[in-house]
Amino acid sequence: DQQVKQNSPSLSVQEGRISILNCDYTNSMFDYFLWYKKYPAEGPTFLISISSIKDKNEDGRFTVFLNKSAKHLSLHIVPSQPGDSAVYFCAARVGGSNYKLTFGKGTLLTVNP
Amino acid sequence: EAGVAQSPRYKIIEKRQSVAFWCNPISGHATLYWYQQILGQGPKLLIQFQNNGVVDDSQLPKDRFSAERLKGVDSTLKIQPAKLEDSAVYLCASSPQGADTQYFGPGTRLTVL
Repeated sequence: DQQVKQNSPSLSVQEGRISILNCDYTNSMFDYFLWYKKYPAEGPTFLISISSIKDKNEDGRFTVFLNKSAKHLSLHIVPSQPGDSAVYFCAARVGGSNYKLTFGKGTLLTVNP
Repeated sequence: EAGVAQSPRYKIIEKRQSVAFWCNPISGHATLYWYQQILGQGPKLLIQFQNNGVVDDSQLPKDRFSAERLKGVDSTLKIQPAKLEDSAVYLCASSPQGADTQYFGPGTRLTVL
């Protein structure tokens, strides 16, 4: 039972354009969501997060949008840069839990120069 | 600030052999996590420690996997005996107590032949 779904295994965009990575979830008890970025042969690194009491969080070129009614969140990268090429994981946490994260399968983003 | 350290980075063993992985979390981080990431999947939590106590080991295959965190600092994860399906990257992460963001090490890539 996959509670966090990233349905696009890969995405390719041109440098300077917007990258939009999507994530859907099924567990209505999730109240905190995170995006992690992973380069080959490295561990995931935290990118940005959002609480369920918000619908948008922005940090520089990265913005995460949360639509609770649709159980959907998205990560926008504007403008995209070649160094953004990596695997992006969406993760979610159940409220009041022991901070256990459930991860999606990831989306490979390739930004072409 | 030093990151999460893991060793070895790579390990190749025959099935039915045993193997151990080591993790040293970020100094002062009370919570330590071990994840298994199979190729093409997101990280899956195996076990979570709070200081030297186990918080969640519900997804740890206890017939063959064991983990300990003596003295509440570094940790070891052991597999005995290994199976082919244990081939994966084993990630260690840590976080300050009560924090949502987890910091990952580079992982150990295990290949079971």
